[in-house]
Amino acid sequence: KNEVEQSPQNLTAQEGEFITINCSYSVGISALHWLQQHPGGGIVSLFMLSSGKKKHGRLIATINIQEKHSSLHITASHPRDSAVYICAANRHTGTASKLTFGTGTRLQVTL
Amino acid sequence: EPEVTQTPSHQVTQMGQEVILRCVPISNHLYFYWYRQILGQKVEFLVSFYNNEISEKSEIFDDQFSVERPDGSNFTLKIRSTKLEDSAMYFCASSPHTGDPGTGELFFGEGSRLTVL
Repeated sequence: KNEVEQSPQNLTAQEGEFITINCSYSVGISALHWLQQHPGGGIVSLFMLSSGKKKHGRLIATINIQEKHSSLHITASHPRDSAVYICAANRHTGTASKLTFGTGTRLQVTL
Repeated sequence: EPEVTQTPSHQVTQMGQEVILRCVPISNHLYFYWYRQILGQKVEFLVSFYNNEISEKSEIFDDQFSVERPDGSNFTLKIRSTKLEDSAMYFCASSPHTGDPGTGELFFGEGSRLTVL
């Protein structure tokens, strides 16, 4: 069983739709990251959170530590949001972060 | 805005050759990482580096791999004798010191694509 599971694996939405991507993890974490991977391969960090909720523009990330679950929401989706969204769990370590990655959710937003 | 830069963007090498991938982390960051992504697969942790030494490494990071911060700015990943299965995108990342090393935000480079023939 993967330590970090994402759903759905693929998601197609029409412009303007509200999108939710889910992430469940089975390990103890110090933080959870949401990352965006562009079609060209580059990775951008969207959020790093250890509790509650964070918002940046049209993106919202929430985490429930007790349930070991996080969600990434995109409001008013746009074709430029098309990318792979990856959640990654920061394991409890003594010295530095070691990320365990999910397999990613491929999002395609159409006009 | 400060960014992590990686070179080369793409390298093609013959099996058995040594490869060095270079990264320039953000200047005031203290934690450095290498990750890799084999085509079509998920990103995997390779190694973390802090205070001029490896702080953690994965089972992938065997004796063929080494990391170095030779001059206080560059952070390099060396693969001593490349194998076909080393073909992947290699990402460097850095994070600032936040007090709790597990909660620092990560900044990724654009990646170096390695193709081993």
